[in-house]
Amino acid sequence: EAGVAQSPRYKIIEKRQSVAFWCNPISGHATLYWYQQILGQGPKLLIQFQNNGVVDDSQLPKDRFSAERLKGVDSTLKIQPAKLEDSAVYLCASSFVLRPGLLKGGDTQYFGPGTRLTVL
Amino acid sequence: GNSVTQMEGPVTLSEEAFLTINCTYTATGYPSLFWYVQYPGEGLQLLLKATKADDKGSNKGFEATYRKETTSFHLEKGSVQVSDSAVYFCALRPGNKLTFGGGTRVLVKP
Repeated sequence: EAGVAQSPRYKIIEKRQSVAFWCNPISGHATLYWYQQILGQGPKLLIQFQNNGVVDDSQLPKDRFSAERLKGVDSTLKIQPAKLEDSAVYLCASSFVLRPGLLKGGDTQYFGPGTRLTVL
Repeated sequence: GNSVTQMEGPVTLSEEAFLTINCTYTATGYPSLFWYVQYPGEGLQLLLKATKADDKGSNKGFEATYRKETTSFHLEKGSVQVSDSAVYFCALRPGNKLTFGGGTRVLVKP
């Protein structure tokens, strides 16, 4: 079974530029998550989708960050314009379902390798 | 709010040594607790989990017990290998959202 795919793996941009990250979840996984992991810290959830609908975007800086999952499969996270403090690894994760239930382990999140963003 | 506190690293050990990584949490309700591991150059992987008090999660020789009375979920392994060198993250999930600790880097030397 293929894992969560992300691209690009690395990106260097200057502040005020725009950048986009792409994620393809595990086939059949309804729930998709984007996390931001700043160096030396644990991942912080930015947004989570259930199919093509947003479940939680309370920690997404909406003045500059946006995300979409139009067809309920792959997803794009965009930053426009980027700031120095956006330098981080952006992780995508997916799970079969949103909540634990009858499907044991169905809510386990599987993570992609991440995209390392450096803003100069 | 919900939060996770882990011991700071790096933790440097010799092969076959005993490993403990402390994790304590603050949460409302009864969260599920997790340990994730991040090997060099790889994504986060679920190592083990426990969903209720006194449950013990175990995998690959690692164990952690959900202690509600001390709000802890310490990770232990009796005999580490060089291949266990990684960053370990403790996390909790009271609802739909995972909250991670800051991570503990472990380096095992031969």
